Amino acid sequence: AQSVTQLDSHVSVSEGTPVLLRCNYSSSYSPSLFWYVQHPNKGLQLLLKYTSAATLVKGINGFEAEFKKSETSFHLTKPSAHMSDAAEYFCVVRTGGSYIPTFGRGTSLIVHP
Amino acid sequence: DSGVTQTPKHLITATGQRVTLRCSPRSGDLSVYWYQQSLDQGLQFLIQYYNGEERAKGNILERFSAQQFPDLHSELNLSSLELGDSALYFCASSQGTTNTGELFFGEGSRLTVL
Repeated sequence: AQSVTQLDSHVSVSEGTPVLLRCNYSSSYSPSLFWYVQHPNKGLQLLLKYTSAATLVKGINGFEAEFKKSETSFHLTKPSAHMSDAAEYFCVVRTGGSYIPTFGRGTSLIVHP
Repeated sequence: DSGVTQTPKHLITATGQRVTLRCSPRSGDLSVYWYQQSLDQGLQFLIQYYNGEERAKGNILERFSAQQFPDLHSELNLSSLELGDSALYFCASSQGTTNTGELFFGEGSRLTVL
């Protein structure tokens, strides 16, 4: 079985300040983990993925995430938020048990000028 | 642009009606997934096809059905529509079915049932 929990439904930051979006997962197998972003009225775009290589993964637009097995976490970070980062972010787990990706409920990132 | 094409982008229909949503996967991708996104349920997996065969089923209602054709495009059929079926329906594709592959999403079909 696999599941993913995004710990915050909304995160509000000021432009230029750091971003932290939290994700915890549960998996019976070694997981692959992904972060997707969804801008309003758009499809989901892959930000980054972890597939058992380096635990610190760099993605597009300055985002990165660190896989911590001991904490079953895969938090998404960015050093400095930009207005264009305002969107919905989804953490996704995929394991060898089912191969069907399971999505978290999403975190809405709000960026204030 | 993900390379996944979904039509129509918007659809408004009445309760009891039937609609068909269409998806063309990225070139070379054999696997197609359908997801339903609603405010109260989030992104829910409906069904997956791989190279024309049904591979996995999720929370798909009996009123809904899907298929993948020899040219790999897929259709999701929704019948006896209810108000609660109003949602954004996403199609995604991937090369295969392994757990390491990412999904590429279309821009979705927004269904409104009145």
